[in-house]
Amino acid sequence: EVQLVQSGAEVKKPGESLKISCKGSGFSFSTYWIAWVRQMPGKGLEWMGTIYPHDSDTRYSPSFQGQVTISADTSISTAYLQWSSLKASDSAMYYCARRVGNCFDPWGQGTLVTVSS
Amino acid sequence: QSALTQPPSASGSPGQSVTISCTGTSSDVGGYDYVSWYQQHPGKAPKLMISEVSKRPSGVPDRFSGSKSGNTASLTVSGLQAEDEADYYCSSYAGSNNFVFGTGTKVTVL
Repeated sequence: EVQLVQSGAEVKKPGESLKISCKGSGFSFSTYWIAWVRQMPGKGLEWMGTIYPHDSDTRYSPSFQGQVTISADTSISTAYLQWSSLKASDSAMYYCARRVGNCFDPWGQGTLVTVSS
Repeated sequence: QSALTQPPSASGSPGQSVTISCTGTSSDVGGYDYVSWYQQHPGKAPKLMISEVSKRPSGVPDRFSGSKSGNTASLTVSGLQAEDEADYYCSSYAGSNNFVFGTGTKVTVL
């Protein structure tokens, strides 16, 4: 079964760093683009960027360029999304998803990030 | 890039049809036949319902169909059922391995 399993919910303070993960199984992880998508509370989906694990080619939405870092480790079939200094406005649900052709399937279960002092 | 425009809400009675629009530009929706649609139930992850404008993945009921004309794509749900009540999002390829999502539409089954 093709599956993406994300790391658990996080509660952080403003200014802290964070790295969340997305582990793939059931497919050749290194040869599929993996996307990260943000969903703020009560809001819609926002494409943040994607990474091709095989060569770490990474593309960012202009809205997220410089705000987050996307990376991957092919040895453990895992993609990452990280922040160096969190803000309250980073509080959201974050999903990873496998890019198949030019759509996204399947999706991870989501990681809820809460940033609060 | 700006989000694709969808109506905030749509509704229909059981058995009826509902159509959701998704309007972009010639740089995304109009430029590629790579529009996809996702269903999201409350508290759940999105699920792919339509790929490449009109292709239904295995397991998706044939009540769901997609189309495109110019810069606007559409998702039609025929024979509405209670379980179709959810949020729906379109997405389009926007070139150079970039993507954009729609603003989302809440479908209510009356």
